[in-house]
Amino acid sequence: AQSVTQLDSQVPVFEEAPVELRCNYSSSVSVYLFWYVQYPNQGLQLLLKYLSGSTLVKGINGFEAEFNKSQTSFHLRKPSVHISDTAEYFCAVTRMDSSYKLIFGSGTRLLVRP
Amino acid sequence: EADIYQTPRYLVIGTGKKITLECSQTMGHDKMYWYQQDPGMELHLIHYSYGVNSTEKGDLSSESTVSRIRTEHFPLTLESARPSHTSQYLCASSNFATATGELFFGEGSRLTVL
Repeated sequence: AQSVTQLDSQVPVFEEAPVELRCNYSSSVSVYLFWYVQYPNQGLQLLLKYLSGSTLVKGINGFEAEFNKSQTSFHLRKPSVHISDTAEYFCAVTRMDSSYKLIFGSGTRLLVRP
Repeated sequence: EADIYQTPRYLVIGTGKKITLECSQTMGHDKMYWYQQDPGMELHLIHYSYGVNSTEKGDLSSESTVSRIRTEHFPLTLESARPSHTSQYLCASSNFATATGELFFGEGSRLTVL
């Protein structure tokens, strides 16, 4: 079975500072990896995904993530955050042979302060 | 922009009432899902469907039921609501053809059972 761990439940950061949201996963088979963002009172929106190829993946709103197979990690980064980045961020994984079910982490709340 | 709609967005109801949460998508997606989301916790898959007349239970046991009579419609029903059913319910869909696990989410239905 797959599982996803997001170590930080909340990450406070000042505007224009860099940020990293951590995600580790466990799986006995190859997986696809995703980051979703949820703004207040809204559904989830895909930020970026890793399917294969380059381990550095770029997404929307200036976010990027790096897949590290040896460390089973998929950390999300942004070099300079904005107030509007305040949201809940979810890491998710699905097996390559059954991509119909996403397993989500518990989420990390990014709080950007002025 | 995803075309998946959930109604009602917010519902407060008394114990024992029957409720139906509606979910519709206009993208012609084959697969549809219901996730349950509690504050500060990961999303848990409670139901999914591969297509018309196909429904399966997810990883989290739920007393709710679903139906898929039309491709675009995937309602969730609770025959007798209880306070333990208080949660946010997120509907999502995806395209079989892409097979990469990307989900499109509705804005959610927040249910409170008194």
